[in-house]
Amino acid sequence: DAGITQSPRHKVTETGTPVTLRCHQTENHRYMYWYRQDPGHGLRLIHYSYGVKDTDKGEVSDGYSVSRSKTEDFLLTLESATSSQTSVYFCAISETFEQAFFGQGTRLTVV
Amino acid sequence: GENVEQHPSTLSVQEGDSAVIKCTYSDSASNYFPWYKQELGKGPQLIIDIRSNVGEKKDQRIAVTLNKTAKHFSLHITETQPEDSAVYFCAAHSGGGADGLTFGKGTHLIIQP
Repeated sequence: DAGITQSPRHKVTETGTPVTLRCHQTENHRYMYWYRQDPGHGLRLIHYSYGVKDTDKGEVSDGYSVSRSKTEDFLLTLESATSSQTSVYFCAISETFEQAFFGQGTRLTVV
Repeated sequence: GENVEQHPSTLSVQEGDSAVIKCTYSDSASNYFPWYKQELGKGPQLIIDIRSNVGEKKDQRIAVTLNKTAKHFSLHITETQPEDSAVYFCAAHSGGGADGLTFGKGTHLIIQP
């Protein structure tokens, strides 16, 4: 899977708690992305990064923040989880912002 | 922003027949169009892509065609096999930006034995 590791793979959390998902890459790719996948919506971009400490918002960024302090790690934080954030989250990496390679995903359930 | 429409949402074909999935996009500045295959419980896997300066690209049983004038592109799978059963996503990227791909909603391809 192109040297991408997402952790945790599964998580159940309570409404109102903070949650952090981690994406780790060993490919030294410049671009990293967080998507969420929901039935009937396909994949939607949450946030992306084009370098260390360089991040920007995607289509569905409300309620999420990100950080990238090292090339290999891209963290997604839900400051106060809500039931609408129950989803499968995918990290992707790309060297050229064209060919993107995805991780295995994190299934998050907010109860 | 870009909007990608994908049809059909479900496609059932007999093993050995061909399958065609179609997508349209809205942003005429888009110049990169990948296709992903997603198997149950896994992340999307890039299977083929095409850039706007090319009209068709083939890789064994898979081909993609692009019509920039009409703003649509299609995935063609010939001689389908059981392992082709999966969800397929098309996507588009507007040139010049690092702001990720816009995806269609996916097509569930079912290969009937």
